[in-house]
Amino acid sequence: DIQMTQSPSSLSASVGDRVAITCQASHDIKYFLSWYQQKPGQAPKLLIHDASILEPGVTPRFSGSGSGTEFTLTISSLEPEDTATYFCHQYDDLPFTFGPGTKVDVK
Amino acid sequence: EVQIVESGGGWVPPGKSLRLSCATSGFNFEDYAMHWVRQRPGKGLEWVSGIDWSNGGVGYADSVKGRFAVSRDNPKKSVHLQMNDLRDEDTALYYCGRDVGRTLGYVDSWGQGILVSVSS
Repeated sequence: DIQMTQSPSSLSASVGDRVAITCQASHDIKYFLSWYQQKPGQAPKLLIHDASILEPGVTPRFSGSGSGTEFTLTISSLEPEDTATYFCHQYDDLPFTFGPGTKVDVK
Repeated sequence: EVQIVESGGGWVPPGKSLRLSCATSGFNFEDYAMHWVRQRPGKGLEWVSGIDWSNGGVGYADSVKGRFAVSRDNPKKSVHLQMNDLRDEDTALYYCGRDVGRTLGYVDSWGQGILVSVSS
């Protein structure tokens, strides 16, 4: 199975800061990676698929990059509404797997 | 508008069975693969199972393989998860999700989830 790791596990930053979350896959998953945002009590929300393609309606403050085993989700200028947990997800090989999540707190 | 509604959750003792259902509307169901993803209390997301548009391709997490079975009813626009031999660690909020395409990929639309509690 493909194992996914994320770092950091949590971060706290200020409004306007630029932050980056990294996701590492245990095997080459090419670009078959998506990013989800989940707020407390809500279902996940798809932000990015195929490593770097932004979903319609998602603010361009979010961007994704990477391929193979190393991926990054960047939030260019934090807003209070970005407080959430972010998960990466590989869909290259069954069983599909999620990263453990990164909790982002916007001060 | 895409609507996905899970049902069938509840409390069961260990070793028993439960069948989750997912009713959908607002899209052409037979054109999409479907998934089940769960979230244990206070924990992250765990992909559980997926089924392609034709019932021909399915997948399971190692943690549920041999105990859970996914199926779909295209005319009724629904997908089901038969969960057998339930364990304490199966306690979670179970989400049903629509894939972006016919074959197994990633979820772009989610239900609100249904709680399954396994305990004695």
